[in-house]
Amino acid sequence: DTAVSQTPKYLVTQMGNDKSIKCEQNLGHDTMYWYKQDSKKFLKIMFSYNNKELIINETVPNRFSPKSPDKAHLNLHINSLELGDSAVYFCASSPRDRSTGELFFGEGSRLTVL
Amino acid sequence: DQQVKQNSPSLSVQEGRISILNCDYTNSMFDYFLWYKKYPAEGPTFLISISSIKDKNEDGRFTVFLNKSAKHLSLHIVPSQPGDSAVYFCAASARAFGNEKLTFGTGTRLTIIP
Repeated sequence: DTAVSQTPKYLVTQMGNDKSIKCEQNLGHDTMYWYKQDSKKFLKIMFSYNNKELIINETVPNRFSPKSPDKAHLNLHINSLELGDSAVYFCASSPRDRSTGELFFGEGSRLTVL
Repeated sequence: DQQVKQNSPSLSVQEGRISILNCDYTNSMFDYFLWYKKYPAEGPTFLISISSIKDKNEDGRFTVFLNKSAKHLSLHIVPSQPGDSAVYFCAASARAFGNEKLTFGTGTRLTIIP
């Protein structure tokens, strides 16, 4: 059983399109995140939700909109895709007790914008 | 503004020897540090962490050392095994300041030579 699962794993699309990446965790965690790893390999946080409530919103274009229908799901919708959006997007979750600071990551979704 | 730096993009080590991966940080508010390991086509997985109140934390073959005055931490793997070949990310957060957002380095690709 995959703890944090993302779909799709690969996504190739044209500029200007709208796309979504879904994430689900079956660990019972309260907090979920979206991270972006760009071409320079930087892994940067985009959003964090705690029990469906947005708690971290980094400087991300408003074309990116996260949605958390329940605490086990955090989806990422991207409007009007641009070339610079090409990256690997990782979903992650963490328990309420964040004593170790550990995040549990999904396998990543590689988005390619042509 | 790269607050966590891993200046060696790659490192090759003979099997059985010690692997030492380095990480430097610039933000003096960081007080919690983690190492993650990442295999190709997988998400990062937590390896070991250390709080700024300690200077060493050990878990089996993995030891993390923290030098706060130098703003430097290192991960020692001994003995190195072929399965340790992966990309290792250093990450930091400012937990005492209520900021649990992880800031990642760009990673070091470790190759263990049989």
